[in-house]
Amino acid sequence: KNEVEQSPQNLTAQEGEFITINCSYSVGISALHWLQQHPGGGIVSLFMLSSGKKKHGRLIATINIQEKHSSLHITASHPRDSAVYICAVWEETSGSRLTFGEGTQLTVNP
Amino acid sequence: ETGVTQTPRHLVMGMTNKKSLKCEQHLGHNAMYWYKQSAKKPLELMFVYNFKEQTENNSVPSRFSPECPNSSHLFLHLHTLQPEDSALYLCASSPRTGGVNEQFFGPGTRLTVL
Repeated sequence: KNEVEQSPQNLTAQEGEFITINCSYSVGISALHWLQQHPGGGIVSLFMLSSGKKKHGRLIATINIQEKHSSLHITASHPRDSAVYICAVWEETSGSRLTFGEGTQLTVNP
Repeated sequence: ETGVTQTPRHLVMGMTNKKSLKCEQHLGHNAMYWYKQSAKKPLELMFVYNFKEQTENNSVPSRFSPECPNSSHLFLHLHTLQPEDSALYLCASSPRTGGVNEQFFGPGTRLTVL
C-alpha cells in the first residue's frame, strides 16, 4: 500500500462541471504538493501547502493535517484541464524527498 | 532557454547500447533530481545531487550511472539496460535539498528499451 493514495484513479467530466480530486496520506508530513502532468509528460507545480486553503484561478487546494487529507478542486472545468493530477508529500522524516501518489487521470469533455 | 530542459525527448535503444540523458536547469538552483515514471506507477526517485555532490541513491541498479559536473547540468548514463527499464525519465531541480523545496520538472525523456 502506497503511503499516498489518490481517488479517483480516473475521472471523466463534462465541461463546466465542478471537479474534486482527493489525496490521503498515512505519514507525518511537512507539506503537500499538487502537480499537473500533461500528455507530453511535463510536470507543472500547482500548489504547495501545509495548512488551510490556497486558490489560483479556477483551482483550489485544501488540506486537513489532522485528517491527513487534501483535496484539489477545479471550478468551471474546461477540456484544457485534461491531465494527470499528482499529489506528493514531503515526509517529516525524509528531508527533501517527495513521496508521490499514483495520479488521477482527468478527462474533461466539451 | 528557461526552466528545466531535457534531451533527447524520445530515445529507443537496444539492450547492448550505451546512451546518455541530459538535463539542464536555468533557474540558479543547487539541487537536481532524477526520477523514473513507469506506466500506472508513482514517480520513483532515483538520484539526488546537491551542489554537485550525490546525496541520495535510491538503490538504483548500476546500469544507471548519474553524473553532475556542475549545479546546472545532470546526466544519466545508460548501459546494458533491460526492457523493464522502459519508462519516462524526469529531471527536476530545486533551490537546495533539505526541508520543503518546490521542485521544478523538465519535460522528460521517453525511453524504450528493445
